[in-house]
This record gives sequence, structure tokens and C-alpha cells, in this order.
Amino acid sequence: QQPVQSPQAVILREGEDAVINCSSSKALYSVHWYRQKHGEAPVFLMILLKGGEQKGHEKISASFNEKKQQSSLYLTASQLSYSGTYFCGTEGSGNTGKLIFGQGTTLQVKP
Amino acid sequence: GAGVSQSPSNKVTEKGKDVELRCDPISGHTALYWYRQSLGQGLEFLIYFQGNSAPDKSGLPSDRFSAERTGGSVSTLTIQRTQQEDSAVYLCASSLTGAVFNEQFFGPGTRLTVL
Repeated sequence: QQPVQSPQAVILREGEDAVINCSSSKALYSVHWYRQKHGEAPVFLMILLKGGEQKGHEKISASFNEKKQQSSLYLTASQLSYSGTYFCGTEGSGNTGKLIFGQGTTLQVKP
Repeated sequence: GAGVSQSPSNKVTEKGKDVELRCDPISGHTALYWYRQSLGQGLEFLIYFQGNSAPDKSGLPSDRFSAERTGGSVSTLTIQRTQQEDSAVYLCASSLTGAVFNEQFFGPGTRLTVL
């Protein structure tokens, strides 16, 4: 079952914050976040494993609530370089690297 | 070191023809994945190889699609009797192992256009 991301698209001004959500109807063991810039390959951001941990990467952080079967990606003080499409990938068993990706959230940061 | 490479970068074919897409994973990576990305869409899982285990083919959309991985390294995705709906970017990724905590490294993709 494909996870559902929201919103589908968001436009920000530099310096503003954004939250991207990823929800699944199935139990999750892990959530992976990737960013894809136009015409490029997806690039890894972070992995969150079962345990409700929060992770950070510069001004991008994420949380994972396995009870609610959802994860959120937080982008603070956004920069132009944050523009792209963000995908969450989910895995339910902890036994495989096979991911089911959401449909993506397109983020555009304007000057 | 070198990243994941894919060839060709672009492929235009006529409906009904067979095509082969190649993926060279990062050296030493035992897990290899194929995804399909249609215009403006997400990443659709196709197939997953892990070491010498039987591949997980659960994402292949029809029996026209097949893939193999030779010697635990290079992989080829074959689409027989191509249809226009097969037009998409085909992405390959590899990871150090098939463990859930390994990040996947993506190649640049092959853009397939079926006329």
C-alpha cells in the first residue's frame, strides 16, 4: 500500500518553514526520506527506524510515530537549494530494504 | 568512488520492440533495486535483488518485464513488446546490503520513450 504524502505541493519564500507529512495505512518499521531535484536522481536525506526517534540534518529534521503510522519532515528557514520533490519511502517488516514510495511533495522556494 | 551508472541515458523505441536497460551498481553493494517514474509521478518499485537470493519481483507490472543480475553486479531490465504506457524514467539504485537501515544510491536513470 503506497503511503500518502501531504501536501502535494508547497511554495515558500526563503527563510520560511515547511512540514511534509507521510502517512501509511499499514504498520511501519522504517521511513526513508529522499529529495529529487528536477532532472536529477533522488538523493538520500535520512532514515527513521521504529522507536519514534527524531533526526536532524542541518535545518532539515524528521519525526516518526509508528503508532500513528506517520512521519513528518520539517524544513526550517528554507533555502533556495531546498527546492525539489520530497519522497517518503516506507518498509513494514524491518527485514528488507524494499521501499514503497509516496507520490511525492513538490517544494518550491522563492527568493 | 564511482556512483551507480545506467545506460543508455535515453532510449526511443517503436511500439512492439524489445528494450534492454542496464545498471551498474556501486562496487561492493549487494542489493540492487529497479524503480519506474512516470512523468510527475512517484517512484514505483519494480524488482529487488539481494545477494544470491531469489529476486523480489512483486512490483513488475506484467510478464513483459523481466530482470536479471549477473555475478551479483550488473543488472539488466528487459521490456518485451513495448507499449506506449511503458514510457517513463527507469531508475536503478543500490545499497551496501539489503538491510532496512541502508540508504539507497540512485543512478541517473534511463528515459524510455515508446512511440
